[in-house]
Amino acid sequence: AQTVTQSQPEMSVQEAETVTLSCTYDTSESDYYLFWYKQPPSRQMILVIRQEAYKQQNATENRFSVNFQKAAKSFSLKISDSQLGDAAMYFCAYRSAVNSGYALNFGKGTSLLVTP
Amino acid sequence: GAVVSQHPSWVICKSGTSVKIECRSLDFQATTMFWYRQFPKQSLMLMATSNEGSKATYEQGVEKDKFLINHASLTLSTLTVTSAHPEDSSFYICSAEVHTRQSHFGNGTRLTVT
Repeated sequence: AQTVTQSQPEMSVQEAETVTLSCTYDTSESDYYLFWYKQPPSRQMILVIRQEAYKQQNATENRFSVNFQKAAKSFSLKISDSQLGDAAMYFCAYRSAVNSGYALNFGKGTSLLVTP
Repeated sequence: GAVVSQHPSWVICKSGTSVKIECRSLDFQATTMFWYRQFPKQSLMLMATSNEGSKATYEQGVEKDKFLINHASLTLSTLTVTSAHPEDSSFYICSAEVHTRQSHFGNGTRLTVT
């Protein structure tokens, strides 16, 4: 079974600064997907960024980028120019690419606080 | 596109009663739907996987007779919490998957059992 580990229960960043959230995972599969989801107080799950394991290039979405290290099984999220609206729970998630019916396997989450 | 509607968004029920939660894919057909449960300040835990026209697959430790899942069409899956008890109070969230393997989440249902 795949496990996803987020070792930072809470992180804090000042507005306009950069913060990196860490995520490691364990799998024996070679093809899979990795995601970062944002969950604000409304509890809506918002996809932040997605990475296919077969792609070496790190995914980026505006101020959000990842550092995907496949050999190290590491998938960190960097948020640049942090904004107050970035404050939320962030979940790292793994999904197998072998079977279309596989669910997302979530880490325990990191609570991000953004201070003015 | 790819909107998932989950209803109700919150519900309060008395202990011993049953509650049905609906998850609809509004503008696409979902091959698979998933039901998750989330306790306060915790992560999402998969409860079951639902495929249209077949029985749901439940995760270990999830009582299938208590959490009834019906996936009657490619756009609708329902979760019924039968004989609810206070310990069933939680946040339930569904997601629907398309062939692109992209998950689309509903807004969740906050269940409170008194």
